[in-house]
Amino acid sequence: AQSVTQLGSHVSVSEGALVLLRCNYSSSVPPYLFWYVQYPNQGLQLLLKYTSAATLVKGINGFEAEFKKSETSFHLTKPSAHMSDAAEYFCAVPGMDTGRRALTFGSGTRLQVQP
Amino acid sequence: EPEVTQTPSHQVTQMGQEVILRCVPISNHLYFYWYRQILGQKVEFLVSFYNNEISEKSEIFDDQFSVERPDGSNFTLKIRSTKLEDSAMYFCASSEGDLGNQPQHFGDGTRLSIL
Repeated sequence: AQSVTQLGSHVSVSEGALVLLRCNYSSSVPPYLFWYVQYPNQGLQLLLKYTSAATLVKGINGFEAEFKKSETSFHLTKPSAHMSDAAEYFCAVPGMDTGRRALTFGSGTRLQVQP
Repeated sequence: EPEVTQTPSHQVTQMGQEVILRCVPISNHLYFYWYRQILGQKVEFLVSFYNNEISEKSEIFDDQFSVERPDGSNFTLKIRSTKLEDSAMYFCASSEGDLGNQPQHFGDGTRLSIL
């Protein structure tokens, strides 16, 4: 079954600094990958999705992610952090190889942005 | 932009009582899901629903749980006899189709507290 691992449960950056949130998928190449963001007291909002069409995917709020098969990674980046980026970020993969459409989520990374 | 709405935002229930969590998916979506997130843990898949029947479910979704689409707009999750360990945030999601690249859109969740 597909799975994703997020390294780092908490990441703290200064405002204006580079944001890098890590996600690695299980060894079989997934056709799709997603990043979701959860702001305090809100639901999960789709940031971006990978659909095999392009390895570099741009999302909302200036975020992007690059699919790297050689590293089994789909890390999320943003060149310059803003205070409003403080949230929890989840990498997710659908269980397509088992016929499941259900999403399997990583454990999440809480991003703190320091002024 | 259309969104998934969930009610109530917070539900407090005595252990052993039945609880119904309600969701209104996005109107043209055909696939519906429930997930839960126990405090400090991963978001976990419970069940998916299509064409008025369960299409898949996880090990968590035991006989205590049931789902229903009672009318053309609502999608409900019922827990028959709640346990302390059912305390969690419950998220409803919907998607247009079952292709892996059709993302699931999430509601803001219902926080269920079992006393």
